[in-house]
Amino acid sequence: AQTVTQSQPEMSVQEAETVTLSCTYDTSESNYYLFWYKQPPSRQMILVIRQEAYKQQNATENRFSVNFQKAAKSFSLKISDSQLGDTAMYFCAFTLTSGTYKYIFGTGTRLKVLA
Amino acid sequence: NAGVTQTPKFQVLKTGQSMTLQCAQDMNHEYMSWYRQDPGMGLRLIHYSVGAGITDQGEVPNGYNVSRSTTEDFPLRLLSAAPSQTSVYFCASSSLLAGGPYEQYFGPGTRLTVT
Repeated sequence: AQTVTQSQPEMSVQEAETVTLSCTYDTSESNYYLFWYKQPPSRQMILVIRQEAYKQQNATENRFSVNFQKAAKSFSLKISDSQLGDTAMYFCAFTLTSGTYKYIFGTGTRLKVLA
Repeated sequence: NAGVTQTPKFQVLKTGQSMTLQCAQDMNHEYMSWYRQDPGMGLRLIHYSVGAGITDQGEVPNGYNVSRSTTEDFPLRLLSAAPSQTSVYFCASSSLLAGGPYEQYFGPGTRLTVT
């Protein structure tokens, strides 16, 4: 069975600084997708970034980038130039490209950006 | 384009009562899913569907029923509510890209309290 682990329940960062959120996963499959979702206080879940496992290049979306280490089964999220609006819960998620159709989420990291 | 809609936003039930949480999407997505979110536990998959007439159990299906008679709608039924079902419920939908669910679009959530 696939699992997703986020070992940092809470983190804080100063505005304009850089922060990295950790995520590890476990699977015996080779084809899958990985995602980071953001949940601000409004409760709405928003996709931040996605990574296809077959792509070696790390995904980047503006100030958000990932460090995808397939062999280590690690998928960390780096937020550069942190802004107050980045304050939110961040969830790492995993799904296979075929087979079970089950989307697995980690337990989340609560990030607070300090002014 | 409304995306994913959920009703109601808030609900209070007494133990033993039944209710249906409604979910609809207008993006013609094949994949729809229900999650519950509890503090410290992330999002846990209750049931999912890969198309009209096809549903399957997720991680925590007990006490919940679903059906998928159309592509657009995926209601979640609580047959006999219990206090352990107090939670925030999210519906989500996704296209099935290359065989698996891809980016999920989430509804705004329903906060359910069972007394």
